[in-house]
Amino acid sequence: DGGITQSPKYLFRKEGQNVTLSCEQNLNHDAMYWYRQDPGQGLRLIYYSQIVNDFQKGDIAEGYSVSREKKESFPLTVTSAQKNPTAFYLCASSMAAGAGDTQYFGPGTRLTVL
Amino acid sequence: GDSVTQMEGPVTLSEEAFLTINCTYTATGYPSLFWYVQYPGEGLQLLLKATKADDKGSNKGFEATYRKETTSFHLEKGSVQVSDSAVYFCALSDHGGANNLFFGTGTRLTVIP
Repeated sequence: DGGITQSPKYLFRKEGQNVTLSCEQNLNHDAMYWYRQDPGQGLRLIYYSQIVNDFQKGDIAEGYSVSREKKESFPLTVTSAQKNPTAFYLCASSMAAGAGDTQYFGPGTRLTVL
Repeated sequence: GDSVTQMEGPVTLSEEAFLTINCTYTATGYPSLFWYVQYPGEGLQLLLKATKADDKGSNKGFEATYRKETTSFHLEKGSVQVSDSAVYFCALSDHGGANNLFFGTGTRLTVIP
């Protein structure tokens, strides 16, 4: 089945450790996105990529890094510089980066930093 | 800048009641508008969308009409079911730039039998 997969579903890390969240899509979409969701809030954009080997910062990129070496993969690293990393992280993709293209979301990864 | 303002919840309704969740937006251009639904512990699913003024998006009994004159995109359903219990997000994508979504804060709906 086509879709977006994120792994793991739950992730626990100690404070000060870097952690990488996986996002894979087999929809042949060009554009991919990472969002962060905090309780009672909407989603906020961390990074997005419109094409392989290219990505741009979103509204809250500080403390995060990404790579886009393959079309189907867009991993997100939460670094120790991120002051409050505990959150629900959602990956999305769209066919292109044209405005209005529907974004499709993965099931999310809940990161808890102890 | 672009933003979305959503009716605050939580909203609790009895089964078969009529649902309205208000959503208004601010955008510099002519955005596309979306409603997404999030069930507990899951990612977001697209519920419906509208890409230009006066368009009506519909899916699974839910409807929303793109009203440019009132900058609104209210979500409605005539008869809710227990299975509709979820968090609903209104969002916009501005045609002026990259395909970035701006989300409202979400409205939690609980339907009781």
